[in-house]
Amino acid sequence: AQTVTQSQPEMSVQEAETVTLSCTYDTSESDYYLFWYKQPPSRQMILVIRQEAYKQQNATENRFSVNFQKAAKSFSLKISDSQLGDAAMYFCAYRSPEASRYTGNQFYFGTGTSLTVIP
Amino acid sequence: EAQVTQNPRYLITVTGKKLTVTCSQNMNHEYMSWYRQDPGLGLRQIYYSMNVEVTDKGDVPEGYKVSRKEKRNFPLILESPSPNQTSLYFCASSLRRLGGPQYFGPGTRLLVL
Repeated sequence: AQTVTQSQPEMSVQEAETVTLSCTYDTSESDYYLFWYKQPPSRQMILVIRQEAYKQQNATENRFSVNFQKAAKSFSLKISDSQLGDAAMYFCAYRSPEASRYTGNQFYFGTGTSLTVIP
Repeated sequence: EAQVTQNPRYLITVTGKKLTVTCSQNMNHEYMSWYRQDPGLGLRQIYYSMNVEVTDKGDVPEGYKVSRKEKRNFPLILESPSPNQTSLYFCASSLRRLGGPQYFGPGTRLLVL
């Protein structure tokens, strides 16, 4: 099965600075999708950004961008101009395009990185 | 409004008392799943369903049951809850194809005494 690893349990950043959260994954598939989710103190899971593996261009959503390195199986999230509202748990997620013949499961999550924003 | 709803949002119960957490989505999604979230362990999948009447175990299915009789509903059943099932539970749904993300419900916080 695919695995997703977030090696940084906790990170901190000064307000207005830039921070990068790391995510690596293991897969033998060539086509897949990657996501970053944000979980603020409210516990709601909020989609931040989505990347399609067949697209070489890195996805960007306002202050959030990714560095997708397919060969290295790396998918890091960069948050620019950090704001207090960015403080949250961030989860990296992998999705297979279709159910494999071994399992119908398609989604795999990392263990999360807790981001603190320092005023 | 497109959404995933869960009920109840908070629940305190006692060991052995059967309970059901409901989950419903209005986006016509085929794929639905249940996760539990515990500190330091991230999201662990309990069960998932690829379509009506099709369910399968995730990583931590012991002590849980699910059913998928209708496309929009995917209830989670704890027939005999135990304290180690105290957790935050999320229901999620997505289209089965097209690589879309999962959309999550607001979560259900369960305490088993």
